[in-house]
Amino acid sequence: QQPVQSPQAVILREGEDAVINCSSSKALYSVHWYRQKHGEAPVFLMILLKGGEQKGHEKISASFNEKKQQSSLYLTASQLSYSGTYFCGTVGSNYKLTFGKGTLLTVNP
Amino acid sequence: DTEVTQTPKHLVMGMTNKKSLKCEQHMGHRAMYWYKQKAKKPPELMFVYSYEKLSINESVPSRFSPECPNSSLLNLHLHALQPEDSALYLCASSRVLAGGSETQYFGPGTRLLVL
Repeated sequence: QQPVQSPQAVILREGEDAVINCSSSKALYSVHWYRQKHGEAPVFLMILLKGGEQKGHEKISASFNEKKQQSSLYLTASQLSYSGTYFCGTVGSNYKLTFGKGTLLTVNP
Repeated sequence: DTEVTQTPKHLVMGMTNKKSLKCEQHMGHRAMYWYKQKAKKPPELMFVYSYEKLSINESVPSRFSPECPNSSLLNLHLHALQPEDSALYLCASSRVLAGGSETQYFGPGTRLLVL
């Protein structure tokens, strides 16, 4: 079952913050976050496991609420290099990583 | 080192051709994956190998034939492809195939055009 991401796209000015949400209708074992720049491979950002944990990576952090089957990615003080498409991926009982449709983030000077 | 390499970077082939995509990792990972990604879409899983054995086949047409000769190498053999098979083909690997706790590392992909 494909997770649902929102928003589909967001435009920021450098230094602004953004939140990307990811939700699933099925129980989740974990949530994976990736960023993909145009013409490049997806780059792993972080993985969140069951337990409602929050993780951080530079100025990017994420939370995982397993009860609500939701995860949010927080980008603070955005930089030009943050531009790209962000995918959340969820893993169910079949070990299969299924990606959401992606959120296109554009950071302008 | 979390590098997955893929060759070739670009491939153009006719519908009657036979070609192969190659993926390699030297991280000691025992799970390897093939994904297909169309423009402006997320990667879609095609095949998963765990300890050199095919674990998951996502009902992929037989014109795509995966092979895992050893723990470091993954091939995707292509034969009689259709123009709609044109896409970015991504290889990924993870330490093991586990219940979602393992990170998958992606290679740069092979951009395939079928004429």
